[in-house]
Amino acid sequence: NAGVTQTPKFRILKIGQSMTLQCTQDMNHNYMYWYRQDPGMGLKLIYYSVGAGITDKGEVPNGYNVSRSTTEDFPLRLELAAPSQTSVYFCASSYSTSGGYNEQFFGPGTRLTVL
Amino acid sequence: DAKTTQPPSMDCAEGRAANLPCNHSTISGNEYVYWYRQIHSQGPQYIIHGLKNNETNEMASLIITEDRKSSTLILPHATLRDTAVYYCIVRVAGANSKLTFGKGITLSVRP
Repeated sequence: NAGVTQTPKFRILKIGQSMTLQCTQDMNHNYMYWYRQDPGMGLKLIYYSVGAGITDKGEVPNGYNVSRSTTEDFPLRLELAAPSQTSVYFCASSYSTSGGYNEQFFGPGTRLTVL
Repeated sequence: DAKTTQPPSMDCAEGRAANLPCNHSTISGNEYVYWYRQIHSQGPQYIIHGLKNNETNEMASLIITEDRKSSTLILPHATLRDTAVYYCIVRVAGANSKLTFGKGITLSVRP
């Protein structure tokens, strides 16, 4: 299993440009998450999904959109890039069942710079 | 979710035990303690979790005090590869429970 994969690894955007960060998992996990990590800080949850067709906002959703058309894929869309979105973006997945806990598996991250 | 407090950094010698403390004085009865770590520039990695009993796996041991207001993650024989940021997270187990990462504690293992 490849686990959680993210593309691209690095990207530089100009202010106002758009892009989609790709995330794919091959573990048949029902839950998927997007986090961002600013320098020296912990991770903050942007959006999450509990299954195909279902998404919900996390702590810092403004400026982002997501979709979950399949179990495997959970792309993150930036419509109008701003310098404040310069960060490292991590995608994660887990298999969650009611009342139980299963660890989250993280991808390697996408380093985004907006100039 | 209850808030956690960790010192910003600590170090230990290679081969020695690393004891990483975490305070969670407002933890409620149904909240678990989780530990993740993040090696430089990589995605976080799950280490261990527990409710009230001490737990051990191949990576570490988790000691939770009887009143559950604090815990200690123990890496029994630290190696240079254990140098990382370690996050202590408290949350309810369950389908909709999400992880909230603080700044964590930076562990530096010296040769």
